[in-house]
Amino acid sequence: QKEVEQNSGPLSVPEGAIASLNCTYSDRVSQSFFWYRQYSGKSPELIMSIYSNGDKEDGRFTAQLNKASQYVSLLIRDSQPSDSATYLCAVHTGRRALTFGSGTRLQVQP
Amino acid sequence: NAGVTQTPKFQVLKTGQSMTLQCAQDMNHNSMYWYRQDPGMGLRLIYYSASEGTTDKGEVPNGYNVSRLNKREFSLRLESAAPSQTSVYFCASTGVSLETQYFGPGTRLLVL
Repeated sequence: QKEVEQNSGPLSVPEGAIASLNCTYSDRVSQSFFWYRQYSGKSPELIMSIYSNGDKEDGRFTAQLNKASQYVSLLIRDSQPSDSATYLCAVHTGRRALTFGSGTRLQVQP
Repeated sequence: NAGVTQTPKFQVLKTGQSMTLQCAQDMNHNSMYWYRQDPGMGLRLIYYSASEGTTDKGEVPNGYNVSRLNKREFSLRLESAAPSQTSVYFCASTGVSLETQYFGPGTRLLVL
């Protein structure tokens, strides 16, 4: 079992819809959770971090964390074509580096 | 403030050749990392350095060596390149929190 699992997609949503991206992790001691966005041919950039159970909102983005279910998600409201990218879930377990999922490719159709 | 820089941007090697990928950061970060990214595999950690003078193996260290030259610079060396090392290599650095990672633009390496 991979430490951090994501559906590879592509997830296709129409412009203006809500995109829901999901991630599960295996290590129960995981402490911090991150969503990175990566455009094709570019490097990952951090868009959200979440540390405690519940929701965290930042503009059109909402991160949701459920430690009991070992599940973290990212909601993108009012999706735009510019949101089309690969979204990487990353987990910090207290070791020195993050563990990344393989990413979900999102396509927002105009 | 350039953030994290990497050189070269693109490189083609023949099997058995060696090369060094360079990485530098100007954010005064203690921790630096080397990842490789392959299609469908996400980012896999090769080596990391928690501070100047220390290095540790990550998930996929075989075939690589690293040097933390000073606080700013962290290089990755391929002594004898193999086609399996064809990948995109990202360097990253982290501040005190050890969590938010800042990535360089990447080096695309093709080994023939």
